[in-house]
Amino acid sequence: DTGVSQDPRHKITKRGQNVTFRCDPISEHNRLYWYRQTLGQGPEFLTYFQNEAQLEKSRLLSDRFSAERPKGSFSTLEIQRTEQGDSAMYLCASSRSPRDYGYTFGSGTRLTVV
Amino acid sequence: SQELEQSPQSLIVQEGKNLTINCTSSKTLYGLYWYKQKYGEGLIFLMMLQKGGEEKSHEKITAKLDEKKQQSSLHITASQPSHAGIYLCGADIGGAQKLVFGQGTRLTINP
Repeated sequence: DTGVSQDPRHKITKRGQNVTFRCDPISEHNRLYWYRQTLGQGPEFLTYFQNEAQLEKSRLLSDRFSAERPKGSFSTLEIQRTEQGDSAMYLCASSRSPRDYGYTFGSGTRLTVV
Repeated sequence: SQELEQSPQSLIVQEGKNLTINCTSSKTLYGLYWYKQKYGEGLIFLMMLQKGGEEKSHEKITAKLDEKKQQSSLHITASQPSHAGIYLCGADIGGAQKLVFGQGTRLTINP
């Protein structure tokens, strides 16, 4: 069990560029979640997958955001045409059975849009 | 509006003192999770509470979920510098099996 891994840890991009983040969950976890956290706030839910199926998307997830989880393993979160308001920490979490084992979070990817 | 309200938003205490952080919801909580976060880092799991009236302890940290399952408290006894950080409560509200978070409590421990 190597934990939830996120890559990169930090990303600085120019406004208008596309960025992609990767999350590798704990191997036996079938549920994978993406959250966004801005300074001084708690994480906000973006979307989650059960295996490869994307089961829920927050209205926070605009058309510029897309997430995938091919083959039900790792997941990617892409932001197209980044805006300064996208600057935040993007957190990934995985779970096998939340009510039995809870949720394990990765270290996050900090995005800065300049 | 926040589905989960944490109080206080920030807390400064003298090393060795006790402190309590509260997390309140207007809806029934199906699971309540406490996490700790250092600035710029990910969330570290502390405790999970599922049943009304449940109480769990780990080292000097105790968390309780009230009988009605709408409020939780996190209590730290004899605080140490290592306790400094942001404490977040997250909850499964409505049984959706996803977490909704409070806004966090920033804890500073003064030597």
